[in-house]
Amino acid sequence: GAGVSQSPSNKVTEKGKDVELRCDPISGHTALYWYRQRLGQGLEFLIYFQGNSAPDKSGLPSDRFSAERTGESVSTLTIQRTQQEDSAVYLCASSLHPRGEQYFGPGTRLTVT
Amino acid sequence: DQQVKQNSPSLSVQEGRISILNCDYTNSMFDYFLWYKKYPAEGPTFLISISSIKDKNEDGRFTVFLNKSAKHLSLHIVPSQPGDSAVYFCAASATGGGADGLTFGKGTHLIIQP
Repeated sequence: GAGVSQSPSNKVTEKGKDVELRCDPISGHTALYWYRQRLGQGLEFLIYFQGNSAPDKSGLPSDRFSAERTGESVSTLTIQRTQQEDSAVYLCASSLHPRGEQYFGPGTRLTVT
Repeated sequence: DQQVKQNSPSLSVQEGRISILNCDYTNSMFDYFLWYKKYPAEGPTFLISISSIKDKNEDGRFTVFLNKSAKHLSLHIVPSQPGDSAVYFCAASATGGGADGLTFGKGTHLIIQP
């Protein structure tokens, strides 16, 4: 079946604008994760969904970041009033159940100018 | 404070020889460890994992070793092949009454030379 997909693959935006990133997990995967990878850094955990609830939002960098998930499917990560330090690759992953192996999408490369 | 450390940003190994990638962690609550492989412009791909109740897990050419007392794990690839050239991330998680995101190291760029 299809893997995790993310859109857009690339996004260039002006500082101060809002952006919305989308993730389609593998069908049937109950757990969904968002990560961020800045240049030269490892992956930084942002938020985790079990179903459509997010029990752990502690990784979100600021209140400009929010995420939603519809049922056990699509998730969107929204960044309001983007700043240059938000520039990174945003990766989404899903797993069949909590603590199962996570399968990653190709990422969205966000550039804030 | 980095809880998962990969101290070698890059490693060059000759084709056919053994590649050894190292990872250290500081959080004693970590009990599940994974290795991911990443090619440019792609998301990480799961490679192999190990639970803290084991000290070794093998899958084909890939073996992961865990030394809990030293808080150290390593990934051995033997024999190394050109297609193994990629960035390898070590990741860890802790049982905490629910799933947490994985904590990743910064990665090691493995280069297999012909």
